[in-house]
Amino acid sequence: SQQGEEDPQALSIQEGENATMNCSYKTSINNLQWYRQNSGRGLVHLILIRSNEREKHSGRLRVTLDTSKKSSSLLITASRAADTASYFCATAPDPYSNAYSGGYNKLIFGAGTRLAVHP
Amino acid sequence: DAGVIQSPRHEVTEMGQEVTLRCKPISGHDYLFWYRQTMMRGLELLIYFNNNVPIDDSGMPEDRFSAKMPNASFSTLKIQPSEPRDSAVYFCASSLAWSETERPYGYTFGSGTRLTVV
Repeated sequence: SQQGEEDPQALSIQEGENATMNCSYKTSINNLQWYRQNSGRGLVHLILIRSNEREKHSGRLRVTLDTSKKSSSLLITASRAADTASYFCATAPDPYSNAYSGGYNKLIFGAGTRLAVHP
Repeated sequence: DAGVIQSPRHEVTEMGQEVTLRCKPISGHDYLFWYRQTMMRGLELLIYFNNNVPIDDSGMPEDRFSAKMPNASFSTLKIQPSEPRDSAVYFCASSLAWSETERPYGYTFGSGTRLTVV
């Protein structure tokens, strides 16, 4: 079952613009991760943020996490055509949560946002 | 390291046939995961292993699906008999272990096996 829901489902922008994707989830988490998937390829890990962190940066990527709202956002600054891909958020459950089941190393993925960056 | 290696990349089979998907994780990774991706259901976790032992198989759709990890460098996902609704892309991923006191790790995914059951 999917834990996270990304918003928007699809995003189309011009090169140089910023792209913001949002993710909402339902249960308590240990960490949240973002992945990119190019068409026909596997997923690539981009960035990870722990539940006690509010913001992380990696190159042109900025991730925020609001555990009170159970939401996260991924910002890609100065986008490039090569950023065209699907982006997924994934959550690792909090092992102390009542909703927890199974191991806490597992990730549950959202439905993804399809980003198109036009030259 | 060559990353997570899956084979075959594409598989077309007839309904009722047995299908075996293979995965070689990154050496030294403690966890191995099998996911299925479809347009309708997105990415679904089927089963995962820790040190070759199955931990959670609650995502396995039904008894037609089985997974094994006989050693740290090899895992298989078998579907017998296959049905058209099993058509999907199947991903294998591996990860280092982490605990509450360690910083978590991301997954490394393979390129996937695109399965078509006709």
